[in-house]
Amino acid sequence: EPEVTQTPSHQVTQMGQEVILRCVPISNHLYFYWYRQILGQKVEFLVSFYNNEISEKSEIFDDQFSVERPDGSNFTLKIRSTKLEDSAMYFCASSGQGGNSPLHFGNGTRLTVT
Amino acid sequence: QKEVEQDPGPLSVPEGAIVSLNCTYSNSAFQYFMWYRQYSRKGPELLMYTYSSGNKEDGRFTAQVDKSSKYISLFIRDSQPSDSATYLCAMSAMNTGNQFYFGTGTSLTVIP
Repeated sequence: EPEVTQTPSHQVTQMGQEVILRCVPISNHLYFYWYRQILGQKVEFLVSFYNNEISEKSEIFDDQFSVERPDGSNFTLKIRSTKLEDSAMYFCASSGQGGNSPLHFGNGTRLTVT
Repeated sequence: QKEVEQDPGPLSVPEGAIVSLNCTYSNSAFQYFMWYRQYSRKGPELLMYTYSSGNKEDGRFTAQVDKSSKYISLFIRDSQPSDSATYLCAMSAMNTGNQFYFGTGTSLTVIP
């Protein structure tokens, strides 16, 4: 069964550094999402992406964050000037037809900011 | 009022019990309903996907949607220790900008 893959599975970085989290969505999906989950808390929406542009973003997704689809398969989340509170699991997800079809998640990247 | 409400639990049941997990929602436009299972430090795994009202069964799992009451349920029959996880409900609609609205998740432990 097709799946969403994310790399790396765990990323440790120092405060103030930039990180890039990578995702390969399911190949025929058109809608892409990033979610965040702080340990023990709920899944939080960050951003959605369709047709090579951001379609919606949450209050969390400020100028520190950016997304890119650099080629036909990868979808990346860049976090600049990381802070301690950015430590969380970051999940990429994709959907074939947006809200009309189910969302499929990757296994996440655990980001630890020290 | 939150879009989706879900009792966080924790819920603890003996092996073999029937488990009932529930979510309520406020937006009557929601048409698509999902249940996810999330093991610790893993991504949410899609368990069930239903459209509009009614029941859907897959093995030991049954998803039920009651749109008139804005209430969805997931039933797990003959629960197993491997079912111990957090269960998330999610929903969407054609007019919500391709967004998905999640419950907070219910933590379930099945005791052998």
